[in-house]
Amino acid sequence: VIWMTQSPSLLSASTGDRVTISCRMSQGISSYLAWYQQKPGKAPELLIYAASTLQSGVPSRFSGSGSGTDFTLTISCLQSEDFATYYCQQYYSFPWTFGQGTKVEIK
Amino acid sequence: EVQLVESGGGLVKPGGSLRLSCAASGFTFSSYSMNWVRQAPGKGLEWVSSISSSSSYIYYADSVKGRFTISRDNAKNSLYLQMNSLRAEDTAVYYCARTAVAGGFDPWGQGTLVTVSS
Repeated sequence: VIWMTQSPSLLSASTGDRVTISCRMSQGISSYLAWYQQKPGKAPELLIYAASTLQSGVPSRFSGSGSGTDFTLTISCLQSEDFATYYCQQYYSFPWTFGQGTKVEIK
Repeated sequence: EVQLVESGGGLVKPGGSLRLSCAASGFTFSSYSMNWVRQAPGKGLEWVSSISSSSSYIYYADSVKGRFTISRDNAKNSLYLQMNSLRAEDTAVYYCARTAVAGGFDPWGQGTLVTVSS
C-alpha cells in the first residue's frame, strides 16, 4: 500500500493569496498523481492529472508540480470560488489512495 | 454531455445487503474502466473498487474485499456495486467515477447515500 501524507489539513488564507498544498508518498509513483477540488455537498472535480497537467476548463491559477514522492498543488491568486477542500490521489498502483484532504478556508 | 447518475442507496441494517447502480450517458461506456469511491460523513475520500472496460480486471480495497462485488453491463451502460454483510463503517456517500484516459477520475456522479444502522 502506498501511504500519502497531505499537508496542511487546514489552510486559512485571503483572496489574492498564493497557497500551496503538499502531498508526500511513502514510495515513488513517478507522475501518477491527480488533484481534486470538492465543495460542500458536491462531488469532487478533477483539477490536475499526471502531476502537472491541467484538466480542460480549470483556471490557469491552478498548477501542479513534482514527481517521485513529493508533489505540490499551487493556487497562484486565490479567488472566492477556490475556498474548498482539496485532495491528492495516486494511481500508480492498487489500492489507489487519496490524501487526507486540505480545507482552504477564508482567513 | 457526459453524465453519471447513481441510485440504490438507502438505510439498511447491519449485516444487510444493498445494490448500487450507476447509469452512464454521453460517452462510449464500454471503452472506459469505472470505479466506486466513498466518503463517510465529514471524512475524506476512499477508493472502493475498480473494473476494467471488459470486466477482465477487478480490484477492491481491503476494507470491502469479500463483501462487495463490482460489475458492469456494457449493453445497458451501467455499473453496479453489490454490497453484502454491511457494517456501520460502510456508511458513506458512494460515488461512481470514470477513469480518465490520462489518469484520475473524471467525471463523478452526484453520489448516493448508504446508511448502515439498526
